[in-house]
This record gives sequence, C-alpha cells and structure tokens, in this order.
Amino acid sequence: DIVMTQSPDSLAVSLGERATINCKSSQSVLYSATNKNYLAWYQQKPGQPPKLLIYWASTRESGVPDRFSGSGSGTDFTLTISSLQAEDVAVYYCQQYYSNPPDLTFGGGTKVEIK
Amino acid sequence: QLMLQESGPGLVKPSETLSLTCTVSGASISSTTYYWGWIRQSPGKGLEWIGAFYYSGNTYYNPSLKSRVTISVDASKNHFSLKLSSVNAADTAVYYCARHGLSTYVRSHFDYWGQGTLVTVSS
Repeated sequence: DIVMTQSPDSLAVSLGERATINCKSSQSVLYSATNKNYLAWYQQKPGQPPKLLIYWASTRESGVPDRFSGSGSGTDFTLTISSLQAEDVAVYYCQQYYSNPPDLTFGGGTKVEIK
Repeated sequence: QLMLQESGPGLVKPSETLSLTCTVSGASISSTTYYWGWIRQSPGKGLEWIGAFYYSGNTYYNPSLKSRVTISVDASKNHFSLKLSSVNAADTAVYYCARHGLSTYVRSHFDYWGQGTLVTVSS
C-alpha cells in the first residue's frame, strides 16, 4: 500500500500569517497517462466529518476560499493557507487515490492552531 | 442537496458482526454514476478506507479488511449497508459513509460525507 506521511504533526501560526503543511507519499501518485496527481486534501474540525478542500493536488473544491492552495507532484505535496483565519483551526489530511487495485490511504493529519 | 446519514448500534460485542446503514437523500443511488463507500476513523489508525460499491455491481474492499467486510445496497430504500464480522477492540471507531467524487471511478477523493457514527466494540 502507499503510505502517506504528513509533517509537521502540528503547527501554530499567527492570524494572517502563512501555514504550510507537507505530505509525502511512499511512491509516486502521478499517473503518466493523464499527467494528474491522485492526491486530495481535507479539513476536519472537532465533531465534524472531513471536508474536501483540494483534489488532483491543486484543484480547489467549489466554495473553498482561495487562501487554500495545493501544490506538488510525484511524491511531495504541500497545502498552503496563505493568510490564516480563526476558522481555519482544524486538522488537515492528505489522501491518495492512485493505488490500483484500489487501496485509498490517508496521511496521519496535521493540527493547525493559532499562535 | 446531497446528504448522507449513518445509523446502527453504537455498541457491538467482540467476535460479533458490526452492521451499519447509510441513508442517502438528494440523489438516487441506483441512477447516479458514482461509487459510494465507507471510511472509519480511530485514534490508533486514523482515517481508513473500508470499501465502496457501484450500483451496477462493482465492489472494492480495503485488502486488510476484505475477509471481514461486506457492502450491500437496497435501492428501494436508497440506502447501503456495511457489515464487518468478527470485530475486536481495534474496530472501535467513528464510521462514515461517503460518496467518491469522480463519476464512475472508485479511485477518487470523497466529496460528500455523513456526520459519522461512533461504534464501540466492548463486552
């Protein structure tokens, strides 16, 4: 299976500052036939299910604020919150959907707090 | 507005079978072109994909759970179900149902989630 490793486990950022979360896959999730990275990002607040933010590594889901952006390719990916807002306090997860036969796996999560 | 809602017992005894149902509203499972699946979340193992089905018949399971999992659908009630047999304490988790977001593809992100239901395995 493809192991997803996130770093850091947690980070504290001042309001209005940039937050950067990393995700590394144990093998490439770039599918050469489509040139797409099979990677998504989610935000989870306490007591709620994960909410989809980004798919195809950099495509923002409808309704997601543009301060959230995804980048990277192959095995190394980043979720950036350009200007942290109070409502962004949450745990963030990456997920790969490249495995075939299907074995969809998630990273361990990164907790974002206000400094 | 698509909504999913999990239901089922919150407590299951070790070695028994966990059974949950996901009721879908706002779309018909039998007429959409999406996979529908189950995901669980526990403190020990984080988020774990359990499996998914497509109404036309394809079903896929997490290899590590495959021997114990069955996902089935009741189109007349617009719901689908999860059965996990021979449970133990490690199966204690919040169980979510979700829609795979890419039409006709099981290899997908998840765009709609239920609120989740906590299942505890204990005698």
